[in-house]
Amino acid sequence: GAVVSQHPSRVICKSGTSVKIECRSLDFQATTMFWYRQFPKKSLMLMATSNEGSKATYEQGVEKDKFLINHASLTLSTLTVTSAHPEDSSFYICSAKNEKGNQPQHFGDGTRLSIL
Amino acid sequence: AQKITQTQPGMFVQEKEAVTLDCTYDTSDPSYGLFWYKQPSSGEMIFLIYQGSYDQQNATEGRYSLNFQKARKSANLVISASQLGDSAMYFCAMREGRGSNYKLTFGKGTLLTVNP
Repeated sequence: GAVVSQHPSRVICKSGTSVKIECRSLDFQATTMFWYRQFPKKSLMLMATSNEGSKATYEQGVEKDKFLINHASLTLSTLTVTSAHPEDSSFYICSAKNEKGNQPQHFGDGTRLSIL
Repeated sequence: AQKITQTQPGMFVQEKEAVTLDCTYDTSDPSYGLFWYKQPSSGEMIFLIYQGSYDQQNATEGRYSLNFQKARKSANLVISASQLGDSAMYFCAMREGRGSNYKLTFGKGTLLTVNP
């Protein structure tokens, strides 16, 4: 079964709306989660590393004021796309790694965001 | 320079036959890990197999095996006895260094189509 849950799976909203996406690790604690963006038929691009209890680390070129990340607990990270515009339309996917042992990153099912 | 190179944008294979998906990588870090993920059209990222840089034997997981050639910096995925459900995008990814906060770098992916 899924070990990382991402919600919602699909969002369609008007330009100017802020959208919040949740990423939960279901049966393990994750001090670190990752947020990726994927354009159609392209690879995953890391946007930021979400750190529990501290500020997220953003990749070069990613606007931190546009993509707000909050990691308030060991099992939940949220990505808020603020004042979304059509160019923000994309597939957003999160991942988390179980800190214990040599575990791979497990991914959520992703969120398809469409801004009209 | 790209850290992960997947030279096959698309591959076709007949059902029940084996197929090899290529992946080469570039790193100067002696400690690294290589991952393969499957992404069906629905979007979720499914972990398939992992190979650590210090692992002596090639990784295997059911029908998946990783042909790890360290000197050539290649980590090709071999899928045996292909099934129709194997049709998907396949991404090779690399983790550099140790510790829990590692980031994954993804290749551009290979779209595999299994023909009946």
